[in-house]
Amino acid sequence: NAGVTQTPKFQVLKTGQSMTLQCAQDMNHEYMSWYRQDPGMGLRLIHYSVGAGITDQGEVPNGYNVSRSTTEDFPLRLLSAAPSQTSVYFCATEGRAVGEQFFGPGTRLTVL
Amino acid sequence: AQSVAQPEDQVNVAEGNPLTVKCTYSVSGNPYLFWYVQYPNRGLQFLLKYITGDNLVKGSYGFEAEFNKSQTSFHLKKPSALVSDSALYFCAVRVTWVISNFGNEKLTFGTGTRLTIIP
Repeated sequence: NAGVTQTPKFQVLKTGQSMTLQCAQDMNHEYMSWYRQDPGMGLRLIHYSVGAGITDQGEVPNGYNVSRSTTEDFPLRLLSAAPSQTSVYFCATEGRAVGEQFFGPGTRLTVL
Repeated sequence: AQSVAQPEDQVNVAEGNPLTVKCTYSVSGNPYLFWYVQYPNRGLQFLLKYITGDNLVKGSYGFEAEFNKSQTSFHLKKPSALVSDSALYFCAVRVTWVISNFGNEKLTFGTGTRLTIIP
């Protein structure tokens, strides 16, 4: 099993460009989430989903969109990239064991 | 609102000595508490959790944590540190007061503590 996979690993964008960060899981977990990690700020929740067709906002949702059409995939879209979105992005899933989240390897995004 | 504080950005411990990484929390209900570890260029890995029951919980790699309700703390401990324990450690809290798994289910992380074990 691959667990949680994220693509790409690295990405450089120019201000105003759009892109989609991909997240896929093969653990059949209903709960999926996106976090961003910034130095000194820990992990902050962007968006999350409790199942296909259901999404909700986290702590820092502005500038990001998500959708959940299948259990396996949870893409994160940046509509118009800004330098403030330079960060490391992690996708995570959670199964029936409360609070035990499985993280992907991350995507390091730089916006110039 | 729930929050987690990790008062130390950096903790240095000599190899073989006991280690403690501190965490305090603030919630308005009953907390579920967690510790995660992050190695360089990797995602976070679950270490251990407190849901209910015994205040001392044991986790992976010889780590344990003690839940102290009166002090609202959940410090991570290990009796004898290894160089391989050097990593970034995150405390997290979740509050839920509904029966289903996904009530108020957001997991709130602390800012992290960098643990360095000195050979």
